[in-house]
Amino acid sequence: DQQVKQNSPSLSVQEGRISILNCDYTNSMFDYFLWYKKYPAEGPTFLISISSIKDKNEDGRFTVFLNKSAKHLSLHIVPSQPGDSAVYFCAASAGNNNDMRFGAGTRLTVKP
Amino acid sequence: DAGVTQSPTHLIKTRGQQVTLRCSPKSGHDTVSWYQQALGQGPQFIFQYYEEEERQRGNFPDRFSGHQFPNYSSELNVNALLLGDSALYLCASSLREHYGYTFGSGTRLTVV
Repeated sequence: DQQVKQNSPSLSVQEGRISILNCDYTNSMFDYFLWYKKYPAEGPTFLISISSIKDKNEDGRFTVFLNKSAKHLSLHIVPSQPGDSAVYFCAASAGNNNDMRFGAGTRLTVKP
Repeated sequence: DAGVTQSPTHLIKTRGQQVTLRCSPKSGHDTVSWYQQALGQGPQFIFQYYEEEERQRGNFPDRFSGHQFPNYSSELNVNALLLGDSALYLCASSLREHYGYTFGSGTRLTVV
């Protein structure tokens, strides 16, 4: 039961350009969405989140957009840097501290 | 301030054996969640512990069990290991009623 889907397993962009990572979900009860970044041999680290009452949240180079009607969210990274190269996971939860459901991840490669 | 600590980092077990993985949450956190991440997939929710009780459970068989101690640390036990149990097991801690988890680096379990 894949409630959170990241349909692009990989993405490659040039340094300085915009990276756009996409995520779709099926459960309309999800009310909080998060993006995590994972380097090899490390656990996922929190990047940015958004509540369902908002449609945009920005933190420095990272912006998350939420389209509730389409059950779609996206993460924009601009400008992209080589250090952003990692696997990015989209996650969603319904209610405080309920179990988070993760997508399969998108491997971002930023080329110098 | 230590984050989430997991032990061991790597483990090799034989089919049919039993394994115990350990997790110490981030200081101040009271809730521990366990995830299984198979190769090429996103983390899958196993269960969550709060106040020493299992509060939420994902779609995992009873071979997977856990425990939370009064100091909030937690164990994940897997009985009758199968080859398919080979994965990265991630522990995440959080503060009840707050969104967002802090993940440990995981335990890489290989079943042969």
